[in-house]
Amino acid sequence: GIQVEQSPPDLILQEGANSTLRCNFSDSVNNLQWFHQNPWGQLINLFYIPSGTKQNGRLSATTVATERYSLLYISSSQTTDSGVYFCAVVRRGSTLGRLYFGRGTQLTVWP
Amino acid sequence: KAGVTQTPRYLIKTRGQQVTLSCSPISGHRSVSWYQQTPGQGLQFLFEYFSETQRNKGNFPGRFSGRQFSNSRSEMNVSTLELGDSALYLCASSYLRGARTGYTFGSGTRLTVV
Repeated sequence: GIQVEQSPPDLILQEGANSTLRCNFSDSVNNLQWFHQNPWGQLINLFYIPSGTKQNGRLSATTVATERYSLLYISSSQTTDSGVYFCAVVRRGSTLGRLYFGRGTQLTVWP
Repeated sequence: KAGVTQTPRYLIKTRGQQVTLSCSPISGHRSVSWYQQTPGQGLQFLFEYFSETQRNKGNFPGRFSGRQFSNSRSEMNVSTLELGDSALYLCASSYLRGARTGYTFGSGTRLTVV
């Protein structure tokens, strides 16, 4: 398989603060996604970003595929940003559509 | 465009029973994957179906099975339930097996085995 490590495991912020979440992976990938799991359990797709940089409102993500890591930036955090953030990858060269997940970063934003 | 629909949302079953969970993918998506999420093991891959064929299977016992219908809807079945099967079961769909656009997940089925 492929190892996916996320850091930090827990992050506590006050509303308005910025944060950076990191995802390291052990092999080349052809698919990398960031998800936010809401309190009801649904995984919300934030970014599909196997390489490069994308932005969506207060969120942005960068994947440096050659160095096997991805970063998720959250600016001006809000209480609704709370939840668990997961990084998931599909190994490059794999013809099988299997996502490997990290253990997630639990983000808590206080008002 | 409707998202991925999983039913039921919640289930309580007794040890030894069997259960069937359903997943309807986004219209036009042909790939459906299933994942189990527990606090201890995190998110683990169960299996993937594409064009009605199981293409990949994770490291789960044979009690876990699934199928996909011609309309791409998928079901998974767990027989002889054990307490450890209590988990959130998530289904994901994609058009090209995750390529180019990634996977979209449903809201999940929360199974409790008592």
